[in-house]
Amino acid sequence: SYVLTQPPSVSVAPGQTARITCGGNNIGSKTVHWYQQKPGQAPVLVVYDDSDRPSGIPERFSGSNSGNTATLTIIRVEAGDEADYYCQVWDSGSDHWVFGGGTKLTVL
Amino acid sequence: EVQLVESGGGLVKPGGSLRLSCAASGFTFSSYSMNWVRQAPGKGLEWVSSISSSSSYIYNADSVKGRFTISRDNAKNSLSLQMNSLRAEDTAVYYCARSRWAVAGLGDFNYWGQGTLVTVSS
Repeated sequence: SYVLTQPPSVSVAPGQTARITCGGNNIGSKTVHWYQQKPGQAPVLVVYDDSDRPSGIPERFSGSNSGNTATLTIIRVEAGDEADYYCQVWDSGSDHWVFGGGTKLTVL
Repeated sequence: EVQLVESGGGLVKPGGSLRLSCAASGFTFSSYSMNWVRQAPGKGLEWVSSISSSSSYIYNADSVKGRFTISRDNAKNSLSLQMNSLRAEDTAVYYCARSRWAVAGLGDFNYWGQGTLVTVSS
C-alpha cells in the first residue's frame, strides 16, 4: 500500500517560513491535498490539487509537488497557524485514500 | 452554507454494532461523493470509506473491509456508516466529509462535519 511520510513536528518563529514535507514514492505523479487541524476541531482544507488555495485561506499558504516530495509552505507564520497538518493523496493502485501521519507545527 | 452533522456515536461493547449518520444541508447532496474519516484519540487521520454520488462506486479501507458498510440516501440528504464486529481499535472520532466532485477518489475533502465519538470498550 502507498505510504505518505511526514515529519512529526516542525517548529518556526513567528514571521518566519514553515515548510512541511510529505514524502511518497513518485508523489509528483499524484495530486496532493493538505489539511489543517487545530485541537478539538475538524480538519480544514488549506491547499488542494497540489497548489490551489480554497477561498478564505490566506495567500501565506502554498503548496508544491515534485518527484518524491510534496511541500506545504507557510510564509510569515502567525501564532494562529499552530496546528497539525496532514497531506492526502488518492492511490489508484489500491483505490484507497491515504493520509500522511501528520505534522505538528509549533510557533515558538 | 454547507453543513454536515454526524450522529449515532456512543459506547459499544467489542463485537457490537453501531450505525452512524451524517445529515447534509446547504448543497445538492446527490452531486457529490461522500466519505468517512476517523481519528483515534491522540492519533492522525485515517480514511475509512468513500461512496460516489450515485452509490455506484464504494471504496473501503482494509482495516474495515467486511465489517463496515457505507451507504447514502440522496432523497434524504443522508450518509450512513453501518459498523459491525466492532473492535477496541475502532475507537475514534468519526468525521463525515464531502468531496469536491461526484466521483469517489477524485478531489479533496472540502467540507467536514464536527465528528461523532465512537468508543468500543467492555
